[in-house]
Amino acid sequence: EVQLVESGGGLVQPGGSLRLSCAVSGFTFSSYWMSWVRQAPGKGLEWVANIKQDGSEKYYVDSVKGRFTISRDNAKNSLYLEMNSLRADDTAVYYCARGGSYPGIWGQGTLVTVSS
Amino acid sequence: EIVLTQSPGTLSLSPGERATLSCRASQSVASSYLAWYQQKPGQAPRLLIYGASSRATGIPDRFSGSGSGTDFTLTISRLEPEDFAVYYCQQYGSSPRTFGQGTKVEIK
Repeated sequence: EVQLVESGGGLVQPGGSLRLSCAVSGFTFSSYWMSWVRQAPGKGLEWVANIKQDGSEKYYVDSVKGRFTISRDNAKNSLYLEMNSLRADDTAVYYCARGGSYPGIWGQGTLVTVSS
Repeated sequence: EIVLTQSPGTLSLSPGERATLSCRASQSVASSYLAWYQQKPGQAPRLLIYGASSRATGIPDRFSGSGSGTDFTLTISRLEPEDFAVYYCQQYGSSPRTFGQGTKVEIK
C-alpha cells in the first residue's frame, strides 16, 4: 500500500524554526519528484516547493524563498521541509505529495501553527 | 507566476444535476498542463483530472475536463451525493505550480 506520513508539525513562535518530515512506503521513492503543499485554515491550497528525484532541482513559491528548504533522503525514503523565520501566515496544514507536476498521492498532512 | 481564477465561488445544485466549473488562467498554460482536484472536509485533495482532460486512475467517467490555453472546464455530468465538495484547478506548465482559489459544490 502506498503511504505518505507527515510529522513534525506543532506550535512555534514567530521567527522560530521547524522541520517537517514525510516518510513514504509502498513505492520506489527515488523514482519520483516530490512536493509540499499547504493549506491555511479555511483557505485554499498553495504549492510550497518541489524537488527532483536526485535532489538536483528544487523550486519554491516566492513567499518561502530563502526561509524554507526542501530536501530528501532516498536511502531513508523520506522527504523534508526545513522552515526558518516562521511567520503567522505560514500557519497551515502541510501536505507531502508524490509528484512534481500533478500529485496523485497525498499524505494526511501535519498542522503547523505559528503564534506567540 | 500564473494566476488561476475559478468561478463560480459556490455552486448550489441538486443530486442528478450537471455541474460546470470554470478555471481561467492569467496567461496561457503550456501544453494544457492543467489538473483538477476534489477535496472534502478534513481530507487531503484527490486528483481527478490531469492534462486538462485525462481522468486519473479510478475516477468515474461522470467527471470530465476540457479546455486549452487560458480557459478550462471541469464537468460533472450527474452529481452523486459524494461529489459535493470543493474543487481546485492547478497548473503545472510553469514554476511555481499554482492553484485556483476553489469552487464549492454544495447541495441545493
